[in-house]
Amino acid sequence: SAVISQKPSRDICQRGTSLTIQCQVDSQVTMMFWYRQQPGQSLTLIATANQGSEATYESGFVIDKFPISRPNLTFSTLTVSNMSPEDSSIYLCSVWGGEKLFFGSGTQLSVL
Amino acid sequence: DQQVKQNSPSLSVQEGRISILNCDYTNSMFDYFLWYKKYPAEGPTFLISISSIKDKNEDGRFTVFLNKSAKHLSLHIVPSQPGDSAVYFCAASARTDSWGKLQFGAGTQVVVTP
Repeated sequence: SAVISQKPSRDICQRGTSLTIQCQVDSQVTMMFWYRQQPGQSLTLIATANQGSEATYESGFVIDKFPISRPNLTFSTLTVSNMSPEDSSIYLCSVWGGEKLFFGSGTQLSVL
Repeated sequence: DQQVKQNSPSLSVQEGRISILNCDYTNSMFDYFLWYKKYPAEGPTFLISISSIKDKNEDGRFTVFLNKSAKHLSLHIVPSQPGDSAVYFCAASARTDSWGKLQFGAGTQVVVTP
């Protein structure tokens, strides 16, 4: 199993600002995954973060809006840039292991 | 395009009875399926999974059934307990995708009443 620490757990932000979410894993992993859950919706993969290379973004998500850093094998950050109310969601960091995804506790973001 | 669908947004069940959660999928490339449980203010936690080579997998009170021809799976919880009250997500993975890339349903809110 993997223990994933994510912070902040929640934040309320103003439109046009940016927020960086941090994710720390208790073991070294090759790939880390960032998901988003909009209100009442399913979880959607934003991007896969690989150490030492650029993140791979899913359709509908772009690097300028969601820049990701992966400085080492246990840490990653996701920035939500130039926020709008539509970015209000739960953002989740996850890693794959033992044929399952392990998730952090999530960041509840509200944009006013 | 929602490839994994949970058509029941909510389910209420009495304590001790069986909870049955349903999930349908459209992508025939999906070959691995998972169920997650989520409490408020927490991340989803893994419950049980099933590979497409099986039609049933059981783990304690949780059983998942897979009907490939109908592209349908279900999660049975028996007996239901108050601690089972949570949102349950169905998820699927395709052999052509990398590990970690899951397609999720929208979730079913389960409420277990005394």
